[in-house]
Amino acid sequence: EAGVAQSPRYKIIEKRQSVAFWCNPISGHATLYWYQQILGQGPKLLIQFQNNGVVDDSQLPKDRFSAERLKGVDSTLKIQPAKLEDSAVYLCASSLAGGRDNEQFFGPGTRLTVL
Amino acid sequence: AQSVTQPDIHITVSEGASLELRCNYSYGATPYLFWYVQSPGQGLQLLLKYFSGDTLVQGIKGFEAEFKRSQSSFNLRKPSVHWSDAAEYFCAGGYLGDAGKSTFGDGTTLTVKP
Repeated sequence: EAGVAQSPRYKIIEKRQSVAFWCNPISGHATLYWYQQILGQGPKLLIQFQNNGVVDDSQLPKDRFSAERLKGVDSTLKIQPAKLEDSAVYLCASSLAGGRDNEQFFGPGTRLTVL
Repeated sequence: AQSVTQPDIHITVSEGASLELRCNYSYGATPYLFWYVQSPGQGLQLLLKYFSGDTLVQGIKGFEAEFKRSQSSFNLRKPSVHWSDAAEYFCAGGYLGDAGKSTFGDGTTLTVKP
């Protein structure tokens, strides 16, 4: 079974530029999560999708971050414009369904450096 | 605020020695708790989880954790550490009624000495 795929693996941009990350969840997984992991900290949930609807985006900085999951499969997370403090690893995870009983499977992450 | 705390930023143990990584939680309701491992350049992998029932939980790779309500703790243990266990370990938790959302601790980095 293929795991969660993310691309690119690394990205370096200058502040005020825009960037997009892509995630392909495990086939059949209805729930998709985007996390931000700043160096030295644990992952922080940015947004959770159930199919193509948003379940929770309370910690997404909506003035600069956006995410979509068209057709309930792949997802894209965008930052526009980027700030220095956005430097982090962005992790995508998926699960069969939401809720505590469903294990989240994580992708390898995209490491973003903002200069 | 509801949270999990990992008091130790970095732990070093010798190969073959026992290991205990600490995790404290602050949830008013009965929590559900997880331990994940993250190797360099890899995504997080679930080691074990606690929802209810037996307070001693067995996981993969020889790890176990014990839920202690009186101490608000969910410490991860392994009787004999292997060099390949060197990684970062995250405790995460949530509670019923929060739509399955989990909050992560800031992690403990494990170094294994030969």
